[in-house]
Amino acid sequence: GAVVSQHPSWVICKSGTSVKIECRSLDFQATTMFWYRQFPKQSLMLMATSNEGSKATYEQGVEKDKFLINHASLTLSTLTVTSAHPEDSSFYICSARPYSNQPQHFGDGTRLSIL
Amino acid sequence: DAKTTQPNSMESNEEEPVHLPCNHSTISGTDYIHWYRQLPSQGPEYVIHGLTSNVNNRMASLAIAEDRKSSTLILHRATLRDAAVYYCIRTSYGKLTFGQGTILTVHP
Repeated sequence: GAVVSQHPSWVICKSGTSVKIECRSLDFQATTMFWYRQFPKQSLMLMATSNEGSKATYEQGVEKDKFLINHASLTLSTLTVTSAHPEDSSFYICSARPYSNQPQHFGDGTRLSIL
Repeated sequence: DAKTTQPNSMESNEEEPVHLPCNHSTISGTDYIHWYRQLPSQGPEYVIHGLTSNVNNRMASLAIAEDRKSSTLILHRATLRDAAVYYCIRTSYGKLTFGQGTILTVHP
């Protein structure tokens, strides 16, 4: 089956640090990748949609200057949380799909803790 | 707005079938119905999806009502590993809007 790898699995860092999370589709080319955030006891919330070679589309209320997304190839998208603060601590999850209306395949998530 | 309605929780016994309902009364003609499940501290896992006809795969079956306003995910023989949060999502253009889902508990 389709495999999406997300790295790192968890990261703890000091307030003010920028953190980069990678999302790779290992056995298929992903024209579109998605980034979600999930707070404890809550459901996933879509942050942005990333299409290869173009700018990401951010959901309402998500700061594009804070959450930088790069989708430079058909198998890799990155999310950089710039100048992270404790309120950015969350579970970040990416997904990828080869074509529209095909299922999304999710990574195992990155748990980000900002001290 | 997830635009689907699911029970908050359901329980089942191991080896028994489980029927997880979902209402999507405002579904449009182009919306697909997707089901995903999520175990604690993991990303969601794709289960099944369909448009109009019933669908079967190795994990589950999806029964879609004739008017498409509801659907049922069927796990034919529940195992302990099926305990998870199950999300029913209607989607057009591929964007997934997750609701609260149904927490499935499987008893040994």
